Order: sequence, then C-alpha cells, then structure tokens
Amino acid sequence: NAGVMQNPRHLVRRRGQEARLRCSPMKGHSHVYWYRQLPEEGLKFMVYLQKENIIDESGMPKERFSAEFPKEGPSILRIQQVVRGDSAAYFCASSEDSNYGYTFGSGTRLTVV
Amino acid sequence: KNEVEQSPQNLTAQEGEFITINCSYSVGISALHWLQQHPGGGIVSLFMLSSGKKKHGRLIATINIQEKHSSLHITASHPRDSAVYICAVTVHTGNQFYFGTGTSLTVIP
Repeated sequence: NAGVMQNPRHLVRRRGQEARLRCSPMKGHSHVYWYRQLPEEGLKFMVYLQKENIIDESGMPKERFSAEFPKEGPSILRIQQVVRGDSAAYFCASSEDSNYGYTFGSGTRLTVV
Repeated sequence: KNEVEQSPQNLTAQEGEFITINCSYSVGISALHWLQQHPGGGIVSLFMLSSGKKKHGRLIATINIQEKHSSLHITASHPRDSAVYICAVTVHTGNQFYFGTGTSLTVIP
C-alpha cells in the first residue's frame, strides 16, 4: 500500500499559467480532501470529494480553482491563471469513510514566479 | 476567533523532558486529530480520537469531550520529535477539518 501519492512534489509556474496538482488516494479510499497551507499560516480546508462528486467546496476560492475526482485516475486540483498569492503547499488526504482515520500525502509545493 | 486553539505556539525543551501541548475547540466534533509536520515535509496523522485516551510509543493523546479540550503528551522527548504538531477537528455537520495553527516544538540535545 503506497499511501496517498501526490505529484509533483514541487511545481513552479509563471504568473498566468495553469497548475495541475494530482492526488492518488490510498487503495480502497473513496474520500479525498484538499487543503492549502499558505506560508506562515495554518492549514485550511479547500474541498471534499467522493468519486465523481464534489461534496463540499466551501473552502475553494470562487474563481480559477477547480477540483475533480474521476471514476478512474487521481483527483486533480486545477488552478488557472496562477498568481503569486497561490504559492503555497497543497495537501491531499484520503479516507475510506469520513468516520475513519485520514492519511495525508506529502504535499505539492507550488511556487508562482 | 478560530474554531481550534492551540497552546503554546512555540515550545523548546531539553532532551528527556515531558512535553504537553494543549488544544481547545469551540464546535461540536465527530473526532479530533493530532498531526505532525516536519520542516519542509509532509503531514503524518498521529492520532484520531473521539473519547478517552490513546497511546502510541512515547506519545499519548487525551480528550475531554465535556470540556472540549485535548492534550498531546510526549514522554522522554528526543531531538527527532522536533516538528510542528497540529490539532484538527472534524465537525458533526460536515466532513472537513478545522485546524489549529500548530505548536512548533524544538527538543535540544
């Protein structure tokens, strides 16, 4: 069991480009959560997905950010037209069920230059 | 006001000391989590608990539901315990986490 896999570990994008962050949950986990950790700040919830469905996106910025968790393949967090303020560590967690423990990925560190 | 408050914000200890990190929360929860984050590293889930006490090696986590308070204890601390420890709760009404701002622990040899 490889755990929660996030890639890339580090991503550098120029302002205005698109960033795609991938998260492969643990085997058997159908719940995926994305969190953002801004520099010098704590973790903040962004979005909660189950297979093919967005359950709660109350933490997602209204523009430029989107997330999906298709039937096949990893969950994708997509940031369009990145700005410097998007520079942060983005963590993904997965669980078998919301009542069970969560496993975190190692994160993707996005730097916008 | 944050839903989850941690104290202290920073903590320096001598190797071998007993360490306590506190967490208070203001919302109804389904579970409380203690997480560990090393500098530049990922996040490791240490404990998930909804009542009582759990122990894993030198780590002990307790929770008092009535008082809405949890503590993380580290016995016989070691420099490799140096990390940021984060308290998080999952709430009854949803599935998301609320996070504390973390306690930065440095254990000096």
